[in-house]
Amino acid sequence: SQQGEEDPQALSIQEGENATMNCSYKTSINNLQWYRQNSGRGLVHLILIRSNEREKHSGRLRVTLDTSKKSSSLLITASRAADTASYFCATDYDYKLSFGAGTTVTVRA
Amino acid sequence: NAGVTQTPKFQVLKTGQSMTLQCAQDMNHNSMYWYRQDPGMGLRLIYYSASEGTTDKGEVPNGYNVSRLNKREFSLRLESAAPSQTSVYFCASSVLTGLETQYFGPGTRLLVL
Repeated sequence: SQQGEEDPQALSIQEGENATMNCSYKTSINNLQWYRQNSGRGLVHLILIRSNEREKHSGRLRVTLDTSKKSSSLLITASRAADTASYFCATDYDYKLSFGAGTTVTVRA
Repeated sequence: NAGVTQTPKFQVLKTGQSMTLQCAQDMNHNSMYWYRQDPGMGLRLIYYSASEGTTDKGEVPNGYNVSRLNKREFSLRLESAAPSQTSVYFCASSVLTGLETQYFGPGTRLLVL
C-alpha cells in the first residue's frame, strides 16, 4: 500500500517563482527520497534525506523533514520551464520503497 | 554506461497473449525491481530481486512472473495478458534494497486489448 501522499496533486506557477510540494507518510522511516518524472520518461532521483536530518539542499532544491509530523516538503526555487514534471516522494518500508501518487508541476513561461 | 535499459518500448497485446519484458542494468547493482504506473496511482511494486538468485513478491504480483537471469538482467513475464494489465512498466535497480537510491529505466508502455 502507498505510504506517502503528495499535496497538492497539481501546481501551476510562473517561471521564476518558487514551487513547494508536501509529502505525508504513515509509519516511521529510515529515509525519504524525492524523484522527478518528465512526461513519458522514467523517474530520476533528486535527493535523499535521512530520518536524523531536518533539512537538505541540492542546487535549487531544498527538502525538509519533520519526523514528528511525518511530513516532508520539497521547495524548488527560481523555477524554469525545464522543471515542468511530476514529483514523487518515496519512503522506505520493509526494505522496499513506497511511492506516492505525485505532484504535477507546470511552469508557465 | 547505459544505466537501466528496457525492451520493448511499446507493445500491444490481445487478451490472453503472453509476453516478456526485458530489463538490464550495467551498474553492477545487486537489487532490481519491476513497477507498474497507472494514472493517479503512482508506482506500485510488482516483484523485486534483492540479489542474484532471489525474487520476492511486491504489492501487486498477481498475473506476473519474474526471472533474475543473472546479476544484470531481470525479466517480467505476463503469461495470459488481461486489459487490467494495461499500464506503463518500469524497471529499476539499486546497490542494495530498501534504503538506497533507485535508478529507473525509460519504461515499457503496454496496451492489452
